[in-house]
Amino acid sequence: GQNIDQPTEMTATEGAIVQINCTYQTSGFNGLFWYQQHAGEAPTFLSYNVLDGLEEKGRFSSFLSRSKGYSYLLLKELQMKDSASYLCAPSNDYKLSFGAGTTVTVRA
Amino acid sequence: GAVVSQHPSWVICKSGTSVKIECRSLDFQATTMFWYRQFPKQSLMLMATSNEGSKATYEQGVEKDKFLINHASLTLSTLTVTSAHPEDSSFYICSARRRTGADTQYFGPGTRLTVL
Repeated sequence: GQNIDQPTEMTATEGAIVQINCTYQTSGFNGLFWYQQHAGEAPTFLSYNVLDGLEEKGRFSSFLSRSKGYSYLLLKELQMKDSASYLCAPSNDYKLSFGAGTTVTVRA
Repeated sequence: GAVVSQHPSWVICKSGTSVKIECRSLDFQATTMFWYRQFPKQSLMLMATSNEGSKATYEQGVEKDKFLINHASLTLSTLTVTSAHPEDSSFYICSARRRTGADTQYFGPGTRLTVL
């Protein structure tokens, strides 16, 4: 089975940095995705980690440690539009399992 | 780009009727398409995996006779909710995985189904 754990909610101020942690236990593993989902909309792709280490893409970075079953998504220079749910999704045989998501609220 | 469309974006139907939802990859060929369901404030739950030209693989607890999936081409998969009931009301989202290249799944905009 799949077990994915991430915080339910996080709040930060505009311009700040927030780190969303995700731990997972899966029966198989190809890689780990992070998606952003605004309320009432479908998820949009943010990042994909296959190997250990940090992947940086603009204001968003994602880290993976396969041996620890751990990943984090780092959001820098937060903007109001970053208020959304962030989904950690390990991939097993190319099927994604989603955590409950972390709702990030950015305040002015 | 990697654009996935869904049609319709929302639908309201009467209990007992059937509803078909289309998922198309617009600018790439998709070996595999996935169908998810999401209830309010809950996570996405994978319903089934759809491979072009073969039968869909359903997740445990998902009734294959109720949720009919057809993947007729490399760019189109359809989900038909048969004999819909109010408890089937949900947000249905498809995703498509490219035939070549990265393993990324790209999501459609979703279809909100309301069964009265």
